[in-house]
Amino acid sequence: DTGVSQDPRHKITKRGQNVTFRCDPISEHNRLYWYRQTLGQGPEFLTYFQNEAQLEKSRLLSDRFSAERPKGSFSTLEIQRTEQGDSAMYLCASVTDPLNTGELFFGEGSRLTVL
Amino acid sequence: GENVEQHPSTLSVQEGDSAVIKCTYSDSASNYFPWYKQELGKRPQLIIDIRSNVGEKKDQRIAVTLNKTAKHFSLHITETQPEDSAVYFCAASLSGGYQKVTFGTGTKLQVIP
Repeated sequence: DTGVSQDPRHKITKRGQNVTFRCDPISEHNRLYWYRQTLGQGPEFLTYFQNEAQLEKSRLLSDRFSAERPKGSFSTLEIQRTEQGDSAMYLCASVTDPLNTGELFFGEGSRLTVL
Repeated sequence: GENVEQHPSTLSVQEGDSAVIKCTYSDSASNYFPWYKQELGKRPQLIIDIRSNVGEKKDQRIAVTLNKTAKHFSLHITETQPEDSAVYFCAASLSGGYQKVTFGTGTKLQVIP
């Protein structure tokens, strides 16, 4: 499968625990995005990377959220001290060359449930 | 930052009828406007996009129109089919999609056979 892959697909955790999600983009894609989607809403921008550089982070994102893309390939999104309001689908997407085509290729998402 | 509003939130049409979804954006510098379709339990997928140097774009049964002056754009689906049932998201971006893409809240389209 040469698409965007995310792991785990589902995560159930207790409030206060830390969770980490991983995203493997399409191999030749140098730009990677993280979005959050709650039921009945559109994807909400969290952050994005150009290779290993984090170019923008949403002002709505609390300090409990951190993302990395250490070698410009896969990325991780960590949520510390989870809260019930963090329950959502976390979507990763990659883009090959936004100047030519802005199409975001999304992964299947990682669904987080905080009890 | 950019804000994208989308209407209606739900839309039911009879098979064969047309469906229209409308969006407005706030940042006049936005110049790339994609539309994504998300079927139940699946990932969003691009169905059509338009750049600000074009007023209309068509691909078979779907078309998008853009009014830069009014800062609104619309998706038109003709001859709707049951497989068109899904949630549709409009979005806007600066620099032709080179920066973050801001999504609308979605329209749930139901095509009744």
